[in-house]
Amino acid sequence: NAGVTQTPKFRILKIGQSMTLQCTQDMNHNYMYWYRQDPGMGLKLIYYSVGAGITDKGEVPNGYNVSRSTTEDFPLRLELAAPSQTSVYFCASSRQEGRELFFGEGSRLTVL
Amino acid sequence: GQNIDQPTEMTATEGAIVQINCTYQTSGFNGLFWYQQHAGEAPTFLSYNVLDGLEEKGRFSSFLSRSKGYSYLLLKELQMKDSASYLCAVFDSNYQLIWGAGTKLIIKP
Repeated sequence: NAGVTQTPKFRILKIGQSMTLQCTQDMNHNYMYWYRQDPGMGLKLIYYSVGAGITDKGEVPNGYNVSRSTTEDFPLRLELAAPSQTSVYFCASSRQEGRELFFGEGSRLTVL
Repeated sequence: GQNIDQPTEMTATEGAIVQINCTYQTSGFNGLFWYQQHAGEAPTFLSYNVLDGLEEKGRFSSFLSRSKGYSYLLLKELQMKDSASYLCAVFDSNYQLIWGAGTKLIIKP
């Protein structure tokens, strides 16, 4: 079982570039999440999805977009990268609302 | 606002016991989680409390008091591999998961 798989693990972007972080889960979970983790701060929710075709904003959605065309995939799009988006990004999934989250290995993004 | 407080860093000795505290102020409560996160890795689930009391799982135990907005994670017989950050998280009334900043636990031989 692969669980939650994220790519790429590391990426350096120039200011203004765009990119997509990929996330796939093979556990048939309906709920999927994108978080960012900055030093000394708790995980911040960027976007989440409760099922294919349904997405919603989290706490810090500005500068990001998501889509959920299938149960398995939940890509995160960064448009016009800014230094403030330098962070570690985690994709996670859960079987249902209120249950434990399963995390991908993380994607470390640096914007210079 | 909603808030979770945990100590930033704690140090303990191999073989000893350590208690990591978490206090929360949230709009409602639908469960509290503890996650372990080794440096450079993803958080992994440790425990879940929704009712008051102690949940024991091997060397790790987690306690919850909803009336006090308080939880602790107790780690016994500490091993070097327990060196990690421990994250406390609470589901509020809307099932929004609020995360603490984490407690970095350093284990010394």
